[in-house]
Amino acid sequence: KAGVTQTPRYLIKTRGQQVTLSCSPISGHRSVSWYQQTPGQGLQFLFEYFSETQRNKGNFPGRFSGRQFSNSRSEMNVSTLELGDSALYLCASSLEAGMNTEAFFGQGTRLTVV
Amino acid sequence: GENVEQHPSTLSVQEGDSAVIKCTYSDSASNYFPWYKQELGKRPQLIIDIRSNVGEKKDQRIAVTLNKTAKHFSLHITETQPEDSAVYFCAASRGSNYKLTFGKGTLLTVNP
Repeated sequence: KAGVTQTPRYLIKTRGQQVTLSCSPISGHRSVSWYQQTPGQGLQFLFEYFSETQRNKGNFPGRFSGRQFSNSRSEMNVSTLELGDSALYLCASSLEAGMNTEAFFGQGTRLTVV
Repeated sequence: GENVEQHPSTLSVQEGDSAVIKCTYSDSASNYFPWYKQELGKRPQLIIDIRSNVGEKKDQRIAVTLNKTAKHFSLHITETQPEDSAVYFCAASRGSNYKLTFGKGTLLTVNP
């Protein structure tokens, strides 16, 4: 079966702009979690959606938001981009909420803010 | 909230040696502890996980041990091979209503 798909793979934006990233989970998976990965900081949790509802949220500013659609696809949006938002953004899908079972990651979207 | 500490941050071993990565967690209610491997330029992938009702789990050359009293768990890789070189992340969760918290990762290098 198809894996988790993230689009686009690479993005270059300038400070102050906004960006939308997309994640299509494995068919049948209803949970989608988003993580920010930066060197030295590991995987920092952004938020999790399950059946179109945000279940958990990490410690990121309100500029970071997300949503999930009825087909379980998810988007995350970052407004008023800052240089420090440059990172690899990973989404992961799992059958159950909370990534309490095996989670499958996408390839990530590499965001560069200049 | 949950805090996961992972050590060491880098580990270099000779091919055939064993490697051990240790993690501690803060939330005594955590009950699920997966380990993910991320090769350079690739996505993280689950390699093994353990739940709090089990003290040890093995899968071929890898094993994970859990000490609930001390709130720490470890990944053991025996007979390391160059293809084991990657970043390894530990994680902890209280369950399906809670987020999965990751450690900061260990860069394992296996030298041929």
